Amino acid sequence: NAGVTQTPKFQVLKTGQSMTLQCAQDMNHEYMSWYRQDPGMGLRLIHYSVGAGITDQGEVPNGYNVSRSTTEDFPLRLLSAAPSQTSVYFCASSSGLAGGKQYFGPGTRLTVT
Amino acid sequence: AQTVTQSQPEMSVQEAETVTLSCTYDTSESDYYLFWYKQPPSRQMILVIRQEAYKQQNATENRFSVNFQKAAKSFSLKISDSQLGDAAMYFCAYGRDRGSTLGRLYFGRGTQLTVWP
Repeated sequence: NAGVTQTPKFQVLKTGQSMTLQCAQDMNHEYMSWYRQDPGMGLRLIHYSVGAGITDQGEVPNGYNVSRSTTEDFPLRLLSAAPSQTSVYFCASSSGLAGGKQYFGPGTRLTVT
Repeated sequence: AQTVTQSQPEMSVQEAETVTLSCTYDTSESDYYLFWYKQPPSRQMILVIRQEAYKQQNATENRFSVNFQKAAKSFSLKISDSQLGDAAMYFCAYGRDRGSTLGRLYFGRGTQLTVWP
């Protein structure tokens, strides 16, 4: 099992550019989430999904879109990048059992200039 | 909404000594789980320990143990015999396996632990 994979590991964007952060898991988990991590702020939930075709907003959804067409994949789209989106992004998946124990990807460090 | 508070942005400990990291949380639920995650400089999120709220017994994992005080909504992590490899950011988190918040975690802001040789 590869677990949760994320690509790319690093990315630099200019303001206004768009891009997609990829996330995939091979554990057949129903629940997938995107978090962003900023210094002194911990991890904050951007969007999450409780299954294919079902997504919902988290704490900080503005500027991000998601879709979940398959159980395995949960991409995060930045439509028009802003410097405030400079952050480290984590994708996570969970079976929904064990109190929501989550398996995290390695993270993507995004810089928007 | 659930909130998780870590009041110590930074802590330090001498190698082989014991350190305790604090965490408090706010919830109206009676069934939930609490977690401590470790994030070393590699950035990988590593689960250290998990506590079920319905269990009175405190969880332990080798040198890591928790002091879970449900009434006080307190969940501290004790690291015994600290090692250089324990140096990392530690996050406290709250989650449930039922209800509208299933599949998501609420995190504190983290405590940066330094271990001195």
